Amino acid sequence: AQRVTQPEKLLSVFKGAPVELKCNYSYSGSPELFWYVQYSRQRLQLLLRHISRESIKGFTADLNKGETSFHLKKPFAQEEDSAMYYCAPLNYGGSQGNLIFGKGTKLSVKP
Amino acid sequence: NAGVTQTPKFQVLKTGQSMTLQCAQDMNHNSMYWYRQDPGMGLRLIYYSASEGTTDKGEVPNGYNVSRLNKREFSLRLESAAPSQTSVYFCASKAGVSYEQYFGPGTRLTVT
Repeated sequence: AQRVTQPEKLLSVFKGAPVELKCNYSYSGSPELFWYVQYSRQRLQLLLRHISRESIKGFTADLNKGETSFHLKKPFAQEEDSAMYYCAPLNYGGSQGNLIFGKGTKLSVKP
Repeated sequence: NAGVTQTPKFQVLKTGQSMTLQCAQDMNHNSMYWYRQDPGMGLRLIYYSASEGTTDKGEVPNGYNVSRLNKREFSLRLESAAPSQTSVYFCASKAGVSYEQYFGPGTRLTVT
C-alpha cells in the first residue's frame, strides 16, 4: 500500500527564515502529489500540485523520484504562513484516485 | 457557488445515540469523500463515492454508513455513537481523478 510520511509534527521558524516541510512517499511509479494547507479555523485547501510546477504564496515543491520526496519550501517565511500542512499523494489503487494524507506538519512562524 | 457545505457545524452526542452528518456540493462533481481529522493522525478516509450510486469503504469505515443520495449530496451516519468517534469530520468533492479536492468547513463532533 502507498504510504506518505511527514516526519515533523511541528516546525517552528522565525519570520524571514527559510522553511522546508518534508514529505516522503512510497510508490515506485510516477506519482501525482499535492500539498494541502489548513489555516486556523478555515477549511483545507489546495496549496499546490507537482504537475503544475508552480509557486503559490512563495512556496514551491520539487518531486525527487530518487529520494521519493516532495518537500515544500519557502525561502522567507511569513507569519501568515502559520498553518497545518498536509502532503497527499494520489492513491492509484483506489477508485477515482483517492488521496492519501500524511499526518501533517504544523508550521509556526514567529515574529 | 457555495462550494461544499456541511451541517451541522457542531454536535454533542451521548454514547449510543445516532445522527447523520449532511454534505452537499454545487460544483457538479462526480466524487465525494468523508474524512475524519484527529490530532496527530492527519486526515483519514472513512468512505467515498466515486460517482452517483456507488460508495466504497476507506481506511476507517467501522461504525459509519454513508448514502449518496444524488450527485449533490453525500451523508454520513453514525448508528450508535462511541467516544472514539469524537473528531472533526470533513466532506470533500472533486471533479475527476487528478483534480483538486474541495473541502467543506467541517463538523466538530463530541461523543460523551
